[in-house]
Amino acid sequence: QVQLQESGPGLVKPSQTLSLTCSVSGDSRVGYYWGWIRQHPGKGLEWMGYIYYGGSTYYNPSLNSRVTISEDTSKNQFSLNLSSVTAADTAVYYCARGLPTFGPFDIWGQGTMVTVSS
Amino acid sequence: SYVLTQPPSVSVAPGKTASITCGGNNIGSKTLHWYQQRPGQAPVVVISYDKDRPSGIPERFSGSNSGNTATLTISRVEAGDEADYYCQVWDSSNWLFGGGTKLTVL
Repeated sequence: QVQLQESGPGLVKPSQTLSLTCSVSGDSRVGYYWGWIRQHPGKGLEWMGYIYYGGSTYYNPSLNSRVTISEDTSKNQFSLNLSSVTAADTAVYYCARGLPTFGPFDIWGQGTMVTVSS
Repeated sequence: SYVLTQPPSVSVAPGKTASITCGGNNIGSKTLHWYQQRPGQAPVVVISYDKDRPSGIPERFSGSNSGNTATLTISRVEAGDEADYYCQVWDSSNWLFGGGTKLTVL
């Protein structure tokens, strides 16, 4: 059974870079999209971007090029970097597996809360 | 940019049918998914590709998508169905989520 687990700092200072890692266990990452979705406190879901196994990336244009998603195939992990953070980036961050051909995000991590504050 | 519109809240009595809509310009031409999110938990897909139920999702959940409106229908609503529900579509190289609908079971 595939499982995803987010890890990273729960507190980031303004203007710094938020970095999170998603560890995938139970299956290979081949053939799927691997994405990041965030949820501001009490709000809805926002897709940030995803990476297809092999390195092709797709990002939400509203994040103004602050997002970078990368992969470490040797560790079966993928990562999120969000630069120049502000308090508006305080949210729960989820990693998730996306099915090919515009499929849904069928497996999600439990989510990790990140607070941006000095 | 493309906008998905969901009612903020829907209320239904146990045993009745709940309908949650997701509106968008010609949304029927897009592939759409529905998620359920219980408090403190990650979302779970309950309907994929407009009307398909993933394994483990009760038959009480069904979906349709035509014209400018997609609908998630939950029959014989149970207390455990109380949650937030989100629709999702792909548009212009971007995954979009609706604002979410809070389903309250009276």
